[in-house]
Amino acid sequence: GNSVTQMEGPVTLSEEAFLTINCTYTATGYPSLFWYVQYPGEGLQLLLKATKADDKGSNKGFEATYRKETTSFHLEKGSVQVSDSAVYFCALSAQAGTALIFGKGTTLSVSS
Amino acid sequence: DAGITQSPRHKVTETGTPVTLRCHQTENHRYMYWYRQDPGHGLRLIHYSYGVKDTDKGEVSDGYSVSRSKTEDFLLTLESATSSQTSVYFCAISGAGSVYQETQYFGPGTRLLVL
Repeated sequence: GNSVTQMEGPVTLSEEAFLTINCTYTATGYPSLFWYVQYPGEGLQLLLKATKADDKGSNKGFEATYRKETTSFHLEKGSVQVSDSAVYFCALSAQAGTALIFGKGTTLSVSS
Repeated sequence: DAGITQSPRHKVTETGTPVTLRCHQTENHRYMYWYRQDPGHGLRLIHYSYGVKDTDKGEVSDGYSVSRSKTEDFLLTLESATSSQTSVYFCAISGAGSVYQETQYFGPGTRLLVL
């Protein structure tokens, strides 16, 4: 079946450090891929998405490229801020109107 | 941000009592979903709806029922709450009008504690 595996945290960084959160997936066909972010006490917000191979999603300095050959969608940011501290979820959508399949989430903590 | 509200935002109840959670959207999206979030599990789908009165089960549907009598409202009912249903519940929507769109937008969540 379809699944998402992402690195488990917590990830602890200093402000302005480089961030990578790994995400790999297993799916039949051609899924769409997403990164969501959850700040404490809030719901999930869409951070970025990619719908086909080699697409790059980007938003707020975060980027992720859909790599079909390695079935990966790693999240990167060149310089993190304290305000980026949150839980990040990688997810895939394999078919119209069906569930998003989520990874277990990665907690990021950025200190000044 | 998509207009999605959930009520109540917090609830404490006792084992064996019925509980209904409400999700309300103002976006006229076709699809609506209920997920639960638990530590170590990410989010898992409970039920979803692909139109008024059209619903289907998700991965963890046992002990839950849903109803959708209007486009804007999707209700999740725990017929007889158990402690294993203590969780954070999120509603999501997708698909503006009749156009399919994969991106799901999430509500703020409901924290449910079953004692």
